Amino acid sequence: QVQLVESGGGLVKPGGSLRLSCAVSGFTFSDYYMSWIRQVPGKGLEWISYISSTDILTYYADSVKGRFTISRDNAKNSLFLQMNNLTADDTAVYYCARGQWLADYWGQGAPVTVSA
Amino acid sequence: EVVLTQSPGTLSLSPGERATLSCRASQTVYSDYLAWYQQKPGQAPRLLIYGASNRATGIPDRFSGGGSGTDFTLTISRLQPEDCAVYYCHHYGDSPFGQGTKVEIK
Repeated sequence: QVQLVESGGGLVKPGGSLRLSCAVSGFTFSDYYMSWIRQVPGKGLEWISYISSTDILTYYADSVKGRFTISRDNAKNSLFLQMNNLTADDTAVYYCARGQWLADYWGQGAPVTVSA
Repeated sequence: EVVLTQSPGTLSLSPGERATLSCRASQTVYSDYLAWYQQKPGQAPRLLIYGASNRATGIPDRFSGGGSGTDFTLTISRLQPEDCAVYYCHHYGDSPFGQGTKVEIK
């Protein structure tokens, strides 16, 4: 069955960096766009980035543009999110999801806390 | 950017009742580009409806979506205890989702 498993979340100081990973199984990873969506605790959802199946096209929300970088390794069925210059506003649960603007499968989420 | 406003904030109904959730867009959107997600406590969101009215795989037929233009609805025809969740609408191409409607079972 389809599985998406995030890892790499944790506690980081303001200005620090973190790299999230998402290991995928159960479908042909290289055929699909993939996305990162985040949820601030107790608040709503924000689509922050996606990447095309062949790595050609990417999107970033204004809130993360210039600080976050999405990438993928189709040989290893893995999705990544490099997060730099983190601020308290980036504290959230980060979900990887299959699709571009329509997420039909989601991971369980990786919590990220930015605090001194 | 399209702003989605959901109402009501919280809906409290008894099992078997009909739930009607609203999602209003700040400008006209294509129906093909409107989705609904369900998020149960402690879980990731799950796709319910895409293209405004198409049920995703495995979604029970008591869930239905409709609407066009700026006004969209998610209807749960016969509320079940397991439908207790927050429901979000989302327009493809925009970063933020609607703020969500919490459905409680009395």
